[in-house]
Amino acid sequence: DVKVTQSSRYLVKRTGEKVFLECVQDMDHENMFWYRQDPGLGLRLIYFSYDVKMKEKGDIPEGYSVSREKKERFSLILESASTNQTSMYLCASSLFPGGDNQPQHFGDGTRLSIL
Amino acid sequence: GESVGLHLPTLSVQEGDNSIINCAYSNSASDYFIWYKQESGKGPQFIIDIRSNMDKRQGQRVTVLLNKTVKHLSLQIAATQPGDSAVYFCAEIAYSSASKIIFGSGTRLSIRP
Repeated sequence: DVKVTQSSRYLVKRTGEKVFLECVQDMDHENMFWYRQDPGLGLRLIYFSYDVKMKEKGDIPEGYSVSREKKERFSLILESASTNQTSMYLCASSLFPGGDNQPQHFGDGTRLSIL
Repeated sequence: GESVGLHLPTLSVQEGDNSIINCAYSNSASDYFIWYKQESGKGPQFIIDIRSNMDKRQGQRVTVLLNKTVKHLSLQIAATQPGDSAVYFCAEIAYSSASKIIFGSGTRLSIRP
């Protein structure tokens, strides 16, 4: 089974802090994704990566950056956390660039609160 | 389509009955569809998928039906159990749109004992 592991289940940070969310997958997937999930807004794509050192903006990249130094690890960075970034953050991975009939597999999420 | 609703539709089903969860997708060019289950406090879990060249696919206790004419997808769960309580949402991918995945807003399934 695919395992996507997010380093923290719950995180509380202060406004202005730099926040790192870590995600590791163990299935040698090329694609990795970061989403945020908010009530009434569903899943929104922040950034994704097709390969090591590659990154693409999703629908809501403002205020975020990412890092993919190794294939199995994809980090989401909140450069200067703000209260409107309080959310559930979900990492996902999938096989093959472009999806090609391979579903995205998700981690259990990090619930981030910015005070 | 993309999620816009504040309140999730809810389906309440008697334990042991069959459940049918529906999804209207947005893009007639979508090639691939996925159903996910999300339990409280957990990430979405892959249930079953179907390609656009199929109209039915069966898994363990689950069946997905695809009607491309009306852009409709359904998930049928046989003999619903308490462990099936969750939010279910569909997702669609169109390879012509750089394989962007679009998630539906979800349906909350609750089980009556």
